[in-house]
Amino acid sequence: GENVEQHPSTLSVQEGDSAVIKCTYSDSASNYFPWYKQELGKRPQLIIDIRSNVGEKKDQRIAVTLNKTAKHFSLHITETQPEDSAVYFCAASPDDGFQKLVFGTGTRLLVSP
Amino acid sequence: DVKVTQSSRYLVKRTGEKVFLECVQDMDHENMFWYRQDPGLGLRLIYFSYDVKMKEKGDIPEGYSVSREKKERFSLILESASTNQTSMYLCASRSRGQNTEAFFGQGTRLTVV
Repeated sequence: GENVEQHPSTLSVQEGDSAVIKCTYSDSASNYFPWYKQELGKRPQLIIDIRSNVGEKKDQRIAVTLNKTAKHFSLHITETQPEDSAVYFCAASPDDGFQKLVFGTGTRLLVSP
Repeated sequence: DVKVTQSSRYLVKRTGEKVFLECVQDMDHENMFWYRQDPGLGLRLIYFSYDVKMKEKGDIPEGYSVSREKKERFSLILESASTNQTSMYLCASRSRGQNTEAFFGQGTRLTVV
């Protein structure tokens, strides 16, 4: 089955810096890759996603890139702000007829003022 | 506003008890999921359901069962609770289609003593 690895597990940056979180997946048939943000004490919420036929997608300060050949995808946050502090999860959706999501282990991002 | 609602925010149960965690969604989604969230382990899939009365095992189904008698409701059952099932449990729902967003409930923090 699909396996998703996520790095780093923790990331500390200064406000205004960029942050990059990387994920690799194992199932070449996976074709949908969302990123979820979970603030402390709250539920995970989708922040951006990318489909396998797209190499890059951007939404204001966040962007996601996908390399299907290497089976990895990354989240990029520019001009980080303290409110970006949260746990970020990547996920992959195998094309097996079930719409399940397999998640990575999460990255705790801390943005210091 | 879409909603996935879990019946309890916090639960404390004794070892050996049978425990029911309930989840209700109001979006008419076909797919519903139960995840377990533990520090450093991310979101691990316990069970999922793609239709009423249909269920599939996820990655860590041992010690759990599920029930989906109605489309909007998905229950997670701990047949005989053990201390290693102390965790945060998250329910999610998702419509059919490979590129659809998953919506999460607020989570149930279960402590087994």
